[in-house]
Amino acid sequence: ILNVEQSPQSLHVQEGDSTNFTCSFPSSNFYALHWYRWETAKSPEALFVMTLNGDEKKKGRISATLNTKEGYSYLYIKGSQPEDSATYLCAFNNAGNMLTFGGGTRLMVKP
Amino acid sequence: NAGVTQTPKFRVLKTGQSMTLLCAQDMNHEYMYWYRQDPGMGLRLIHYSVGEGTTAKGEVPDGYNVSRLKKQNFLLGLESAAPSQTSVYFCASSYSRTYGYTFGSGTRLTVV
Repeated sequence: ILNVEQSPQSLHVQEGDSTNFTCSFPSSNFYALHWYRWETAKSPEALFVMTLNGDEKKKGRISATLNTKEGYSYLYIKGSQPEDSATYLCAFNNAGNMLTFGGGTRLMVKP
Repeated sequence: NAGVTQTPKFRVLKTGQSMTLLCAQDMNHEYMYWYRQDPGMGLRLIHYSVGEGTTAKGEVPDGYNVSRLKKQNFLLGLESAAPSQTSVYFCASSYSRTYGYTFGSGTRLTVV
């Protein structure tokens, strides 16, 4: 069983604040790192899939970076809005076909 | 474009009963997956398939069986339900391992 850890578990920020959270994963046998956004009562929705060390991806106010050598990825949200409130999941794909999910970071943005 | 459709959305079973959860995707994806989500445990992979006619065990396969007779469908079976299988079950599909997964809306199963 692979260990994929996310921190913090939960985060409360004010509207307009920028924030970031961390995903840690094994640094060996890396294949891909996924980020998902999961709103309450909905299904997880893919944000990014990153495969190369140093990868940076951006989608609107959300961006992510990847360091495969040290086994971590950061997700950044610039100028948080109430609609950004969700659980953000990362998932690690090694040389096999299985995607192992972290426990998620629950973000709550107060207006 | 429906994406990934799971049926049923809710079900209550008695211990020892059997049932099948159906996952259907219309995106011509090769890869399909069944996950369960439990409080404090995150999403855990039960079984997966890398193509029609193939299946493989995930992290928590015990008590479940799967079949992928058609590319668009992935069935999850519980032969003899146990209270420990009370969970929310999510199906997902993907074009390949470097593409994001598309998830279904989930099936909430309670075993009493």
